[in-house]
Amino acid sequence: AQTVTQSQPEMSVQEAETVTLSCTYDTSESDYYLFWYKQPPSRQMILVIRQEAYKQQNATENRFSVNFQKAAKSFSLKISDSQLGDAAMYFCAYWANRDDKIIFGKGTRLHILP
Amino acid sequence: GAGVSQTPSNKVTEKGKYVELRCDPISGHTALYWYRQSLGQGPEFLIYFQGTGAADDSGLPNDRFFAVRPEGSVSTLKIQRTERGDSAVYLCASSRGTQETQYFGPGTRLLVL
Repeated sequence: AQTVTQSQPEMSVQEAETVTLSCTYDTSESDYYLFWYKQPPSRQMILVIRQEAYKQQNATENRFSVNFQKAAKSFSLKISDSQLGDAAMYFCAYWANRDDKIIFGKGTRLHILP
Repeated sequence: GAGVSQTPSNKVTEKGKYVELRCDPISGHTALYWYRQSLGQGPEFLIYFQGTGAADDSGLPNDRFFAVRPEGSVSTLKIQRTERGDSAVYLCASSRGTQETQYFGPGTRLLVL
């Protein structure tokens, strides 16, 4: 069975600094997607970044980038120049190409210190 | 363009009661998903619709849970004989088709007293 593990329940970073959130996953599939979702107090799950497993190049979206290590089954999120609006729960998620459902980790609560 | 909407935003009910939670997907999205997010956890899959039919309901915890999507658009998640353990945020997501990016609604927070 596929699993997603986020080992950091909470993290804090100073505003304007860089922070990295960790995620590991387990799967026997070769064709899958990985995601980072942000969930602010409004509860809306917002897609931050998406990575296709077949792509070697790490995905980037403005201040957000990932470090995808396929052999190690690791998928970390780096947030550069942290802003107060980045404070939220962050969920790492996995989706097998042949499957319907997204599997989420338990989340990391990110605090931004002014 | 409107995103996924869910009503009600919050629902408080008593143990043993029946509740209905509604999801309005993004217009034109054929795929619709329900997830349940318990306190301190990530969302967990409940059921997936492609059009009007439930293509995968393997995540429904028991037969008290049922969902419909009669016209291939709006979906209703129905919970009979609610239990305190059903308290959670129920999230709905939609996508243009299978294997497309899922867009989530704001969820319904259900509290069973």
